[in-house]
Amino acid sequence: QKEVEQNSGPLSVPEGAIASLNCTYSDRVSQSFFWYRQYSGKSPELIMSIYSNGDKEDGRFTAQLNKASQYVSLLIRDSQPSDSATYLCAVNTFASGGSYIPTFGRGTSLIVHP
Amino acid sequence: DTGVSQDPRHKITKRGQNVTFRCDPISEHNRLYWYRQTLGQGPEFLTYFQNEAQLEKSRLLSDRFSAERPKGSFSTLEIQRTEQGDSAMYLCASSLGDLNTEAFFGQGTRLTVV
Repeated sequence: QKEVEQNSGPLSVPEGAIASLNCTYSDRVSQSFFWYRQYSGKSPELIMSIYSNGDKEDGRFTAQLNKASQYVSLLIRDSQPSDSATYLCAVNTFASGGSYIPTFGRGTSLIVHP
Repeated sequence: DTGVSQDPRHKITKRGQNVTFRCDPISEHNRLYWYRQTLGQGPEFLTYFQNEAQLEKSRLLSDRFSAERPKGSFSTLEIQRTEQGDSAMYLCASSLGDLNTEAFFGQGTRLTVV
């Protein structure tokens, strides 16, 4: 069973702080990694993708990947109350039929308080 | 709007009835995924199509569930003899091309079985 693990939280940070969200995965052949944001009652929205070891920055968001440690993280700088949501880590994992399927963690709830 | 479209948005059905959901992917996307999500959990993979071929199906998927994607365009997901445990958000996502491309979600169909 290919797994993606996230701490369910909630992670509570003050407005303006850096929020750090973490994810580990079990499938060593995975090559594609994604972060989605999901507001309550809504569907997941893609915010970042990362494919190579290291950091990738997009605005206030930075994704970090370490394939050797099978670890992905998302940093949100200058956190805003509007960032309060559940953040889902997704990893393309190799399935039994030979396809790569996005496999999701259970998500980390982030609360940014004023 | 050229995003993924799902219909209906909400469905309430009595236990034992059959229900069918529709997903229209982004027009040029050849890959289509169905997921199920319950409260506090990440999306759980159900099935995957590449064009019209159903290439992956979760082993957790009951034989009451069936999906089609005729002509590689829209897809339908049918649940026969619904049970209260089928109550969930059913999400459709699509992506283009190779395994590294991002998947985009529709707004989901929320099913309530009473």
